Amino acid sequence: DTGVSQDPRHKITKRGQNVTFRCDPISEHNRLYWYRQTLGQGPEFLTYFQNEAQLEKSRLLSDRFSAERPKGSFSTLEIQRTEQGDSAMYLCASRPEMNTEAFFGQGTRLTVV
Amino acid sequence: GNSVTQMEGPVTLSEEAFLTINCTYTATGYPSLFWYVQYPGEGLQLLLKATKADDKGSNKGFEATYRKETTSFHLEKGSVQVSDSAVYFCALSDLAYSGAGSYQLTFGKGTKLSVIP
Repeated sequence: DTGVSQDPRHKITKRGQNVTFRCDPISEHNRLYWYRQTLGQGPEFLTYFQNEAQLEKSRLLSDRFSAERPKGSFSTLEIQRTEQGDSAMYLCASRPEMNTEAFFGQGTRLTVV
Repeated sequence: GNSVTQMEGPVTLSEEAFLTINCTYTATGYPSLFWYVQYPGEGLQLLLKATKADDKGSNKGFEATYRKETTSFHLEKGSVQVSDSAVYFCALSDLAYSGAGSYQLTFGKGTKLSVIP
C-alpha cells in the first residue's frame, strides 16, 4: 500500500458547476477525514467518517457539500454549484485508530473560475 | 474552542543555523500536540508528536517539548539544511473538543522555512 491517494490532483471548473473528488485511504484504516486548506492558512476540518458512517461535520461544510464513504473504503466529496470561494486544496487523511498518526494524501487543488 | 498560533513566516536561514518556530495553543482538555511538515509538491507528513505534558517529541534532528504551563510546543533544530526547506504546521488533537470521537486536528497557519546554502 502506497499511502492515501487522491484524485484528481488538480481541477479547474467554472462557477456553478458540480465537482467530485475521490480519496482512497490506506487499506484497513477505518477512520477518514476531509480537510480544506486555503492559501496561507492551515488545513481546516470538514468531516469525519468511521467506516461508512459520517459521524461529524464542521460548520464549514455547507449544504452544497456532501461526502460519502459507501463501503467504508474510498470516500467522495462533492461540491454542488461551485463558487469562487470554494477554491482551495482539499485534503484527505486516514488513521487506523483514534490516537494514532493521521496520514495525508497529496490533496486535490480546486480552482473555480 | 481550540486554536493554534504559530509565528508568522516566512523564515529564511542560512545552512547550519539554529531554528526555532514558536507555537502556542488553546485547548479545552488535554490535547496531543503535533508538528507536520509539507515539502513542495507533497502532502502533509507527521514530523513529531507529544501526547502529554513534558513529553519531548523528536525526529530528523527536530525537537519540541510539550509545555503545559506555557501552553507551548516550540519546534527547534540545531543545524538546518537546505533539504529542511518546507512549510511547518503546528497542530493539536483534543478528545474533549472533538465530537463523536473524531479526534480531528486543529492546525496553525503554517510557517514557511527557506534555508539557503
